[in-house]
Amino acid sequence: SYVLTQPPSVSVAPGQTARITCGGNNIGSKAVHWYQQMPGQAPVLVIYDDSDRPSGIPERFSGSNSRDTATLTVSRVEAGDEADYYCQVWVGTNDPFVVIGGGTKLTVL
Amino acid sequence: EVQLVESGGGLVKPGGSLRLSCAASGFTFSNVWMTWVRQAPGKGLEWVGRIKSKADGGTTDDATPVKGRFSISRDDSRNMLYLQMNSLKIEDTAVYFCATDRRSAMFSRYFEYWGQGSLVTVSS
Repeated sequence: SYVLTQPPSVSVAPGQTARITCGGNNIGSKAVHWYQQMPGQAPVLVIYDDSDRPSGIPERFSGSNSRDTATLTVSRVEAGDEADYYCQVWVGTNDPFVVIGGGTKLTVL
Repeated sequence: EVQLVESGGGLVKPGGSLRLSCAASGFTFSNVWMTWVRQAPGKGLEWVGRIKSKADGGTTDDATPVKGRFSISRDDSRNMLYLQMNSLKIEDTAVYFCATDRRSAMFSRYFEYWGQGSLVTVSS
C-alpha cells in the first residue's frame, strides 16, 4: 500500500525558513494536502492541492510537489508555528483511500 | 461559521460498543461528504472512514483496521454524523475527529473543517 514518509522532527530558529518534506512513490502525480496541529487541538488545513492556501492562512506557508517529494515551507518562522505537521493524499477509490504521513514536529529554537 | 462538535466518547471495555456523534452547523450538511479521523495518544493521525452525500450515493468507505467493526451513518434532517463502533479493541483508544471531506480542483480530497475531537478509551 501507499506510504508517506515524513521526518519526525525539524528545528529552526525564529525568522528562518523551515522545510518539511513528505516522501512517497511518484507523489508528484498526486495532490498533497498539509495540516497543522497544535498540542491538544484539532488539525487545521494549511495547504491543499500541493500549494493552495485556505483563507486565513498566512502567505508564509507555501507548498510544492515534484517527483517523489512534497514540501511544506514555512518562511520567517515564528514561535507560534511550533506544531505537528501532517501531509495527506487521496489514493483513490480503493482501500486505503486516504493516506496520512506520520507527522513532523516543528520546533522553533 | 462552520462548527463540528463531537460527543459520545468515554471509557468502554474491550469487546464493547460505543456511538460517537458529530453535530454540524454553519454549512449545508446534506451536500457534504464527511470523514472520521482518529489519533491514538501520542501518535499521528489515522483516517477511519467516510460517508458520501446522499446525492453521491450516501455510501461509506472504511479503513482496513476498522472494517466490519465500525459503521458510519448520517442524518441529514438533523445535521448529524455518527460513528458506531463495535467489538472495540484496546488499540482503538484514540481521540476521534469528524471533518468535512471536500473534493479539490485536482480531483483529490482533503479535510477542510475539523471538530475538536472526542476521546474513546478502551480498557478493562
